[in-house]
Amino acid sequence: KAGVTQTPRYLIKTRGQQVTLSCSPISGHRSVSWYQQTPGQGLQFLFEYFSETQRNKGNFPGRFSGRQFSNSRSEMNVSTLELGDSALYLCASQRAEGGTEAFFGQGTRLTVV
Amino acid sequence: DQQVKQNSPSLSVQEGRISILNCDYTNSMFDYFLWYKKYPAEGPTFLISISSIKDKNEDGRFTVFLNKSAKHLSLHIVPSQPGDSAVYFCAARWGGGGGADGLTFGKGTHLIIQP
Repeated sequence: KAGVTQTPRYLIKTRGQQVTLSCSPISGHRSVSWYQQTPGQGLQFLFEYFSETQRNKGNFPGRFSGRQFSNSRSEMNVSTLELGDSALYLCASQRAEGGTEAFFGQGTRLTVV
Repeated sequence: DQQVKQNSPSLSVQEGRISILNCDYTNSMFDYFLWYKKYPAEGPTFLISISSIKDKNEDGRFTVFLNKSAKHLSLHIVPSQPGDSAVYFCAARWGGGGGADGLTFGKGTHLIIQP
């Protein structure tokens, strides 16, 4: 069974640009969550999607957005990039909404210069 | 305000001995707790979890203990092996109200297994 796939693995962007990251969950999993990991703040919850609907959102500005498609694949978008957005962005897949164990992808390392 | 705290940034343990990683939480609404292991440049790998209705869960070399009154959980690894060297994250979630809340993570403990 394939795991959670995130693309791209690495990305370098310039301040002010926007970026889209992609996540394909484990087959059969319908819930996708996104997390940001930075050295100072650790792992922080961005948002969770289930059945193409955002179910919950963490404490991040509106520049961070996402969506989920009918095949459960998800994308997250960050607009007007800032240097502080440099981080490892992780996607987690769960079988159902409010499910217990979350399985993570390898992440996308975003560097903003 | 950190709701999940791992107060030891690092821990060094001799191979073959027991590793004990600790985690404290402040939100009494958390009802499910998880431990993840993370290597550099990889996503966290799920290790073991425990529901708030239990006080112990065991899976091979890994045992998680939950003390609800103290709002404390711990992960025991015995015996410790060199491949256990990694950063371990404690995470908690609140599933109340039918909502799908995200995981709240601690900042991690870097476990180093000495040969």
